[in-house]
Amino acid sequence: NAGVTQTPKFQVLKTGQSMTLQCAQDMNHNSMYWYRQDPGMGLRLIYYSASEGTTDKGEVPNGYNVSRLNKREFSLRLESAAPSQTSVYFCASRGTSGAPTDTQYFGPGTRLTVL
Amino acid sequence: SQKIEQNSEALNIQEGKTATLTCNYTNYSPAYLQWYRQDPGRGPVFLLLIRENEKEKRKERLKVTFDTTLKQSLFHITASQPADSATYLCALGSGGSYIPTFGRGTSLIVHP
Repeated sequence: NAGVTQTPKFQVLKTGQSMTLQCAQDMNHNSMYWYRQDPGMGLRLIYYSASEGTTDKGEVPNGYNVSRLNKREFSLRLESAAPSQTSVYFCASRGTSGAPTDTQYFGPGTRLTVL
Repeated sequence: SQKIEQNSEALNIQEGKTATLTCNYTNYSPAYLQWYRQDPGRGPVFLLLIRENEKEKRKERLKVTFDTTLKQSLFHITASQPADSATYLCALGSGGSYIPTFGRGTSLIVHP
């Protein structure tokens, strides 16, 4: 099992450009998440999807959109990138038993720089 | 508002000693607390979970305590090794929440 995979690993954008970050998991998990991690700020939730077909905003959703394409894939889109969106983006998925205590499995991250 | 505090200063210890990391929280009544390890350039990896009705959990050289009166969790690594050097994150969740809230993490550096 590959676990949680993310593409691309690195990306440089110019202000105003758009891009989509891809995430896929092969663990048959229902829930998937997008976080951003900035120095000194810890992990902050952007959007999450509790199950296929549903998405909800997290703590910092402005400037982002998401798509839960199917049970495996959850993408994050930046429609018009801004320098404030320079960050490391992590996708995660959560176990399938349904208990809140199921742990999250994280991908390797995408390092995005917006010039 | 809910607040999770982890020491922002790196913890430096000698190999073989016990490392103790702290996670404090305010305005929160978590049902569970998790600890994750994060290496540079990689995503967090789950280590241990402890529930509100548990005082202590152990896994190999790792031990977690959870004191809901003090609103604090301690994370211990005994017989520490340089390979234990990483950033350690605590995450808290409420009973019905599928979304844990993460602390900022504490960097641990184990010197040979």
